[in-house]
Amino acid sequence: DAGVIQSPRHEVTEMGQEVTLRCKPISGHNSLFWYRQTMMRGLELLIYFNNNVPIDDSGMPEDRFSAKMPNASFSTLKIQPSEPRDSAVYFCASSLAHQGRADTQYFGPGTRLTVL
Amino acid sequence: GDSVTQMEGPVTLSEEAFLTINCTYTATGYPSLFWYVQYPGEGLQLLLKATKADDKGSNKGFEATYRKETTSFHLEKGSVQVSDSAVYFCARALGRGAQKLVFGQGTRLTINP
Repeated sequence: DAGVIQSPRHEVTEMGQEVTLRCKPISGHNSLFWYRQTMMRGLELLIYFNNNVPIDDSGMPEDRFSAKMPNASFSTLKIQPSEPRDSAVYFCASSLAHQGRADTQYFGPGTRLTVL
Repeated sequence: GDSVTQMEGPVTLSEEAFLTINCTYTATGYPSLFWYVQYPGEGLQLLLKATKADDKGSNKGFEATYRKETTSFHLEKGSVQVSDSAVYFCARALGRGAQKLVFGQGTRLTINP
């Protein structure tokens, strides 16, 4: 299995631009998670989906952030407009939830975002 | 609220030394507990887990025992190697269906030859 795939691996953009991060979960997994990692705040859960439906988006910092999962094999995290404080490594993870309970989360390699 | 507290790093040891990284949690009930490892430039990988009290998770020479009396899940290894250098995260499951993970702040481990 290819594991969780994220793209791009690195993104450098200017303040005010739109940024779209992409994730392909492991085939057969039905839960998908977006995390943000910074030195100051550590690893934070932004949002997660079950069967393509957003379950908990309480970690999304503000309205500039949005996430979608149009099908079981693809998700996006969008920041519009981007700000320098959004600079971080963004991870996507997937897992198989059985009878409503989740198993191990498998992480992608991350996207390092730098907003100038 | 629900949280995970890890031993502060960084931790530097010599090869073949004994390792302990402390982790305690606050929780209602008995959440599943995890240790993840992050090597430079990579995402997190599950190292081991325990799903109920007194369970011992083990992998690659690392062990951790779920202690409900002390609400702890300390990571140990008897003899570390240079290749163990990484950041280690303790985590607990949370939320509906225990699908959310709450992570500790991470402990950076460096092993010198």
